[in-house]
Amino acid sequence: DADVTQTPRNRITKTGKRIMLECSQTKGHDRMYWYRQDPGLGLRLIYYSFDVKDINKGEISDGYSVSRQAQAKFSLSLESAIPNQTALYFCATSDMDTGGNEKLFFGSGTQLSVL
Amino acid sequence: AQTVTQSQPEMSVQEAETVTLSCTYDTSESDYYLFWYKQPPSRQMILVIRQEAYKQQNATENRFSVNFQKAAKSFSLKISDSQLGDAAMYFCAYRRHTGNQFYFGTGTSLTVIP
Repeated sequence: DADVTQTPRNRITKTGKRIMLECSQTKGHDRMYWYRQDPGLGLRLIYYSFDVKDINKGEISDGYSVSRQAQAKFSLSLESAIPNQTALYFCATSDMDTGGNEKLFFGSGTQLSVL
Repeated sequence: AQTVTQSQPEMSVQEAETVTLSCTYDTSESDYYLFWYKQPPSRQMILVIRQEAYKQQNATENRFSVNFQKAAKSFSLKISDSQLGDAAMYFCAYRRHTGNQFYFGTGTSLTVIP
């Protein structure tokens, strides 16, 4: 089983609809992230959370919200989807050691299309 | 925000040959981490190699090695004896030592020609 699981794998929705992307992890990591990937733009950070009570905006948080329901679960919501939110969305986790070393572990992504 | 630049949108290499992917970054920090991630057609992002800026020795992982030039702010990835399974999108990434974010480049699509 995957350590970082994203659902759904693919989703097509219509403009104006509310949609939630879910992420769960079995790695026991405190840190969780949501990124979006667009062709030619790489990965950009939407939101991140370092524990259940900690939520932080990334560089492109407008139009998105998140919920950290538990250490293992971090969901991303689009309250009213628009076509330019069509992208590949990644959830990631990480665990930082005392030396400051940190690695990201990614889910397999959710391809979202907003029509 | 930090800037990570991958100037080669696409690269190709013959099977068994060597290819180098370029990455430059902009920072005023002296302590940071650099990464190369691979994204095959399966979409999964896989860590290939990591370099700590305070280490002068270039990181190596089997057929993958880096050329880290700190003064030039350059971090290239060399893939030796290229295999068909190396075909993927490769992303360079940066994280400040005390930072909270990873910054990614725009990616280089590598094709391996049989």
